[in-house]
Amino acid sequence: DSGVTQTPKHLITATGQRVTLRCSPRSGDLSVYWYQQSLDQGLQFLIQYYNGEERAKGNILERFSAQQFPDLHSELNLSSLELGDSALYFCASSLASNQPQHFGDGTRLSIL
Amino acid sequence: GENVEQHPSTLSVQEGDSAVIKCTYSDSASNYFPWYKQELGKRPQLIIDIRSNVGEKKDQRIAVTLNKTAKHFSLHITETQPEDSAVYFCAASISSGTYKYIFGTGTRLKVLA
Repeated sequence: DSGVTQTPKHLITATGQRVTLRCSPRSGDLSVYWYQQSLDQGLQFLIQYYNGEERAKGNILERFSAQQFPDLHSELNLSSLELGDSALYFCASSLASNQPQHFGDGTRLSIL
Repeated sequence: GENVEQHPSTLSVQEGDSAVIKCTYSDSASNYFPWYKQELGKRPQLIIDIRSNVGEKKDQRIAVTLNKTAKHFSLHITETQPEDSAVYFCAASISSGTYKYIFGTGTRLKVLA
């Protein structure tokens, strides 16, 4: 158990819809990272937050947004969903940028 | 921009042989280099890491070496076992300024029994 909790584990929805993925970081970790992993692909970095503020941005689509709340949990919002958005979305947390990242079990998103 | 190149993309070895995966980073300010193992359908997990003030680190059958001059680091797995079969990701991190944490593209390791 990494200490990082992601909900839901699975999500099935239709094109055009909007979903919210939730992540609770490991106790004491201030940084939260979001990644997208399509089938047999690598980890595509989406966005990083540190103590409530956006710290770094990767190849995140304009249809996607995220935030980190005062209690340090984070949400990733995906809107106007397309078939290509089907993937495993991981959240990870770390104490700082030069520390190990601890990954959650991921949310598997399927767009029908 | 900054990136981390990882080679090879796939690697097959006989059980008991050694496996080596190499990564090259572009930003000389990188100072932290972790390696993650991802088994099929599971989350990536840290297996070993090294910081820029160290040239080599070992943990049982796995070791990591760092060459700051050449800006590359490698993962070495000795006496490979079938349970070592997984995808391995390297990463390079910068702890100041841009605070970037960049992953390599992954290496799929198959250990043949």
